[in-house]
Amino acid sequence: AQTVTQSQPEMSVQEAETVTLSCTYDTSESDYYLFWYKQPPSRQMILVIRQEAYKQQNATENRFSVNFQKAAKSFSLKISDSQLGDAAMYFCAYRSVIGAGSYQLTFGKGTKLSVIP
Amino acid sequence: NAGVMQNPRHLVRRRGQEARLRCSPMKGHSHVYWYRQLPEEGLKFMVYLQKENIIDESGMPKERFSAEFPKEGPSILRIQQVVRGDSAAYFCASSPTSGGRNEQFFGPGTRLTVL
Repeated sequence: AQTVTQSQPEMSVQEAETVTLSCTYDTSESDYYLFWYKQPPSRQMILVIRQEAYKQQNATENRFSVNFQKAAKSFSLKISDSQLGDAAMYFCAYRSVIGAGSYQLTFGKGTKLSVIP
Repeated sequence: NAGVMQNPRHLVRRRGQEARLRCSPMKGHSHVYWYRQLPEEGLKFMVYLQKENIIDESGMPKERFSAEFPKEGPSILRIQQVVRGDSAAYFCASSPTSGGRNEQFFGPGTRLTVL
């Protein structure tokens, strides 16, 4: 079974600065998806960015980018030019893409990000 | 194009009562996932359904919990004889087809409080 570990329960960043959230995972599969979700106080799950394992290029979405290290099974999220609206829980998630499974998402426990004005 | 809808958004039940949570997937989506988020935790998979079929219920507690996705109408997650430990946020997500490359779209969740 796959596992996802987020070792930073809480992080803080000054507004306009850069912060990196860590995520490691364990799998024996060669192809899969990795995701970062944002959960603000409203509790709505918002997809921030996703990375397909067979793509070597790191995904980027505006101020959000990832550092995907497949051999190390590491998938960190970098938020540049942090804004007050970035304050939320951030969850790393894994999803298989092969086989006959149900393709459910496996989530880490989350990192609570605070943005300091 | 409406997103995934869940109702109610908040549900309060006393111990021993039944809770029924509803999920209407996005238009054209026939696959539904249910996840549970306990306080201070990430989401955990409960069950995966297609129309009229339960495909994977490996994450569902063996007793008191059931799910259905009828041919017509929303998917229902039913919790019988609720206990305080059932207090959590329950999310559903839908996707258009099966397969790992399809994105899951999340609803806003139902927050269940058991008194």
